[in-house]
Amino acid sequence: DADVTQTPRNRITKTGKRIMLECSQTKGHDRMYWYRQDPGLGLRLIYYSFDVKDINKGEISDGYSVSRQAQAKFSLSLESAIPNQTALYFCATSVSANTGELFFGEGSRLTVL
Amino acid sequence: AQSVAQPEDQVNVAEGNPLTVKCTYSVSGNPYLFWYVQYPNRGLQFLLKYITGDNLVKGSYGFEAEFNKSQTSFHLKKPSALVSDSALYFCAVRDPYSGGGADGLTFGKGTHLIIQP
Repeated sequence: DADVTQTPRNRITKTGKRIMLECSQTKGHDRMYWYRQDPGLGLRLIYYSFDVKDINKGEISDGYSVSRQAQAKFSLSLESAIPNQTALYFCATSVSANTGELFFGEGSRLTVL
Repeated sequence: AQSVAQPEDQVNVAEGNPLTVKCTYSVSGNPYLFWYVQYPNRGLQFLLKYITGDNLVKGSYGFEAEFNKSQTSFHLKKPSALVSDSALYFCAVRDPYSGGGADGLTFGKGTHLIIQP
């Protein structure tokens, strides 16, 4: 089983719908992240969490919200999806703030029509 | 603010030849630098990192990278390319002195590496 699991892997929805992307990890890491990947733009940070009680906005948090339900679970929500939120979304974890590398899930491809 | 640039959208190399994927960075202090690889329909996989010490860092799958502080570069290299190395490669940077800024890595836009048989 994957260490960082994202569900769903693919989702097609309509403008205005509420969408939740879920992430769970078995690595025991405290730090979790949500990134968005767009062709030609690389990865951009949406939200990150140091622990259950600590959630921080990233570079592009507008239109998104998150919930850290437990150390192992970090969910990303789009309250009212819009077409320019069509992208590949990645959850990642890290054991250390500075020297540690990120461990990524397989991604959730979201299409908003 | 920290930033990273990958000047080439695509790099084409013949199998067996050496390869280089370029990366330059900008941070206020000494950087922590990372390389990741992404295969189609997969998440990013960690290849190697530079934190401190020897400027030449060795990583997974025979890849290595050289940290050059004067040129603010961290180019990814491999002596002999394989067709299976074809993928999307990302350079990333973290400024350990960024204080209250985002804790995540800042990624470049990615370079498509194509190894031709």
